[in-house]
Amino acid sequence: EAGVAQSPRYKIIEKRQSVAFWCNPISGHATLYWYQQILGQGPKLLIQFQNNGVVDDSQLPKDRFSAERLKGVDSTLKIQPAKLEDSAVYLCASSTRGRTWDSGANVLTFGAGSRLTVL
Amino acid sequence: TQLLEQSPQFLSIQEGENLTVYCNSSSVFSSLQWYRQEPGEGPVLLVTVVTGGEVKKLKRLTFQFGDARKDSSLHITAAQPGDTGLYLCAGGSSNTGKLIFGQGTTLQVKP
Repeated sequence: EAGVAQSPRYKIIEKRQSVAFWCNPISGHATLYWYQQILGQGPKLLIQFQNNGVVDDSQLPKDRFSAERLKGVDSTLKIQPAKLEDSAVYLCASSTRGRTWDSGANVLTFGAGSRLTVL
Repeated sequence: TQLLEQSPQFLSIQEGENLTVYCNSSSVFSSLQWYRQEPGEGPVLLVTVVTGGEVKKLKRLTFQFGDARKDSSLHITAAQPGDTGLYLCAGGSSNTGKLIFGQGTTLQVKP
């Protein structure tokens, strides 16, 4: 099966500019996640969608970040205006309630990420 | 707020040595997962443990979930240069599907 697709892979912008990242999850995966990963650190959850509804966006800086998942398939994460501290890799992941769900485990498949540099 | 703390944050060892990485929390998780991430790639799942006290082995890697489901460890026997990477533990909630990551352990295995 095809993996999680993300684009662009790399983006360099000036501070106060805007940027958008796109994610296409694995077909049939109902849950989609956006994580922010600063170099050398673990991923930090920004937002979690279940189909086209938001499950958790408690750590999304809503004054500058927005995300949508229209039609419950692909998703877009936008930053406007960008700050220097937004420089990071933005990872998209998807999961499905398969047989592993009943055991209490939720297995995520990640894309390769979009690396953002804000100058 | 649920937090996962990994230790050590950095580890540089010689090929053939053994090592253990720890993942601790004050919160109970329904599952604990370990991922490995290489530069320029997303994390890739190594193992999932769901039962307190559970031990799983994957070749030279041994994973353990604490009895209280608050902590976990990853032990690598006879490390090889191919084991180099960022190791991440992640705690899961079966109610919400939320997955929280630790800050990671960067492992370097020198030939």
